[in-house]
Formats: sequence, structure tokens, C-alpha cells
Amino acid sequence: QSALTQPASVSGSPGQSITISCTGTSSDVGSFNLVSWYQQHPGKAPKLMIYEVSQRPSGVSNRFSGSKSGNTASLTISGLQAEDEAVYYCCSYAGSGTYVFGIGTKVTVL
Amino acid sequence: EVQLLESGGDLVQPGGSLRLSCAASGFTFSSYATSWVRQAPGEGLEWVSGIGGSGATTFYGDSVKGRFTVSTDTFNNTLYLQMNSLRVEDTAVYYCVRMGRGYFDFWGQGALVTVSS
Repeated sequence: QSALTQPASVSGSPGQSITISCTGTSSDVGSFNLVSWYQQHPGKAPKLMIYEVSQRPSGVSNRFSGSKSGNTASLTISGLQAEDEAVYYCCSYAGSGTYVFGIGTKVTVL
Repeated sequence: EVQLLESGGDLVQPGGSLRLSCAASGFTFSSYATSWVRQAPGEGLEWVSGIGGSGATTFYGDSVKGRFTVSTDTFNNTLYLQMNSLRVEDTAVYYCVRMGRGYFDFWGQGALVTVSS
């Protein structure tokens, strides 16, 4: 299983919106609506931000939203805040009980 | 409150074995699938292995298949990862994770496994 493709870095000013793409294949992202997104701050465990493409867990800000088209999923952060600076990983179910993560995107708040 | 507490991380020589444990609390352990996800130093996340709530079904990533074995003790609410034939590239922080339908909703703090001579 090859890792999902994400941009290495994305940046934005406070208050702006940014979008992180996550490209897979027809065997993973394209086949299942089981894409999730995780936020990881340095030295911390990852935190679930989005599941099932566009669902937000309780307690996650509505500034975070997800979508999918074909083999590419996207995470949008609106109203960017300093606390959003972190690494974001996408993940997709890949069939037969297996999962594949993206390579991670470093979000920088300018 | 859901809690996952890993233990067993250590320094081990290449070719050696190690068993990680994860003590779960705050939820009905047998009702959830769980997984191990690892992160090599300075690298991204890699799904390693998963197991159904009853322990009857197990799944492995290609990089560990045949070397690692996942299991559960539903009486003691504990998840295990037996790691054999360890390689330098297995060096990572190993996270114990509770699963929802296709996602990982609660993560432990991780256990560091270092494979080096």
C-alpha cells in the first residue's frame, strides 16, 4: 500500500481559509467514504478531526470541514487560527481491513 | 473517560522480540475494534495492525505481516502486539488506538520501540 499524497506544507494568515488535498487511488479513497483526518501537534498523539469524509466529532470546531471527489479528499480550515498550526494527516480505508495514511501536511499560520 | 495506556516499549537488538501492551478503560472494550499505528522518528503515521472487538478477526500491514501478531484479552481489557524478527526500520512510537467505523477516535500517548545494535 502506497501512502496517500498530500502537499508537504500549506500556509495562511490568521482568518484566511486553507485547503489540504489528499490523493489516493480507486482502491482506497475512490472506493470508500471512509476518509478521516488527524491533527498532530509536536510531541502529541494525533487527534481525530474529520471522519467518514465530512463528519466532525463532538468538540471539533466547525471551522474544519471535509469533502471528497473521486480519488481526492480535502480538508478545509476556515478562519485560520494560531492554534491550527500542526501537521495534518488524511487516512483512508483500503479494503480487507487495512488502512493507509497520507504523508502529512505541515500547516503554518503566518 | 476513554483511556488507552501503552507499555512495553524498549531498546531491542535487530532480530529480537518485544511485546507491547495497551490497557483500555472508560468504554466497553469488546464492543470496539482497535489498532496499532506507528510513527518513526520525524516521519508520518503508518497503520500497523487491527483487531475486531471479539478478537476473532485480525489484519496487518504489508510491512509487518508474518512478523507481528495482534491479540486481545477482553477479560482484562488489554490489547497486545507481539513483535518478532524486529528490524531497524521498526523503530517508532507505537500508538494504541480505538476505532470507529473506518476511523481512529481515541489514541494512547504511545510507546517507543527502538531497534538498534
